[in-house]
Parts: sequence; C-alpha cells; structure tokens
Amino acid sequence: SYEVTQPPSVSVSPGQTATITCSGEKLDEKYACWYQQKTGQSPVLIIYQDSRRPSGIPDRFSGSNSGDTATLTISEAQSTDEADYYCQAWDSTSQVFGGGTKLTVL
Amino acid sequence: QITLKESGPALVKPTQTLTVTCAFSGFSLTTPGVGVGWIRQAPGEALVWLALIYWDDDKFYRPAVKGRISVTKDASKNKVVLTLTDADPLDTATYYCAHRMRDGENSLHAFDFWGRGTLVTVSS
Repeated sequence: SYEVTQPPSVSVSPGQTATITCSGEKLDEKYACWYQQKTGQSPVLIIYQDSRRPSGIPDRFSGSNSGDTATLTISEAQSTDEADYYCQAWDSTSQVFGGGTKLTVL
Repeated sequence: QITLKESGPALVKPTQTLTVTCAFSGFSLTTPGVGVGWIRQAPGEALVWLALIYWDDDKFYRPAVKGRISVTKDASKNKVVLTLTDADPLDTATYYCAHRMRDGENSLHAFDFWGRGTLVTVSS
C-alpha cells in the first residue's frame, strides 16, 4: 500500500522559515494536503491540492509538490505555529497520512 | 456552517463491536459529491485514515481493517455510523469524522471540516 514519510521533528527560530517535507513515490501525481494539529485539538486543513490555502489560512503557509516530495513552508515562524503537521495524499481508493512532524519554534 | 460531532462509548471490551456515530449539519449526504471520512488517532500517535463514504453510498476502507470495518449513512438524519468489529486494545483512539472537501461534484481529496473527536478505549 502507498506510504508517505515525514521527518519526526523540525525546529525553527522565531521569524525564520520552516520547511517540512513529505515523501512518497511519485507523490506529485497525487494531490497532497497538509493539516496542523495543536495539542488537544482537532486537525485543521492548511494546504490542499498541493499549494492552495483554505479561506482564513495565513499566506505565511505555502505548499509545493514535485517528484517524490511535497513541501510545506512556514515563513516568519511564530510561537503559535508550534504544532504537529501531517501531510495526506490520496491514492486512487485510499487516503494516506504521514507520520506527522512536530514543529518546535525556539 | 459545517459542523460535525462524534459520539460513542468511552469504553469497549475486547472482542466487542465498537460503534461511533457522526452527527453533522451544514451539508447533506444527498448532495452529489459530498463525502464523510473517518480518521482515528491513538494516544500520542499519528492520524490514520479508516474509511470514506460518499453521497451515492460509494465506500472506501483502509485495507488493514477492511474485514472488520463498516460505514453506513442515514442521510435523512444527517448521520454517519462507523462500526468496527472484534475490538482490540490497539483500536484505542480518538475517532474523528470529517467532511470531504469538494468543488461541486469533484473531490478535492482533503478534509476541510473536522469534529472534535471521541475517545474510545478498548480494555477489559
């Protein structure tokens, strides 16, 4: 079955840019999306169809998808961005989530 | 405004059947293109997709649980029900239902609205 892989953790200094990757075979042939989940809360969709932002999501969040890797970029990182981030891909009949990446802003 | 709310037993014994209900508002499962998904998250673990049901009763299941899982809808009552048979302690998780993002009848392959989840513990 299809799998996507994320780094377990990423650290970034406040005001800097954080990059979180999601890897899977020919991932650019499947739409990738990203969710942010803060502790004790439900996931929130922040990127869909590789690079589109739902209404209300700041433009500091951006996404791309090329080859085997989708990337979530968070510019001007803030303490409020500390959360777990999950990528998700759709593979014909199955949805697949990555293992999640814990973003630390310090 | 789309909202979803999960409900179910807090505790289920091993080998019993786990049933979680998703009550939603703000959309209809009779509308072409609409879908509701189920995702679970074990304590401290990652999200895991379980199932997806569409307005036309088309269903998709996670292969690893395909023999134990079933999703049904009652569109007239705006509810979707997840059933997982032969529960195991490894099924202990927060169960979420979520609205499938769409553009008309076309799925956008993401979940744009989520419920708060309900924690189900499988233990004797």
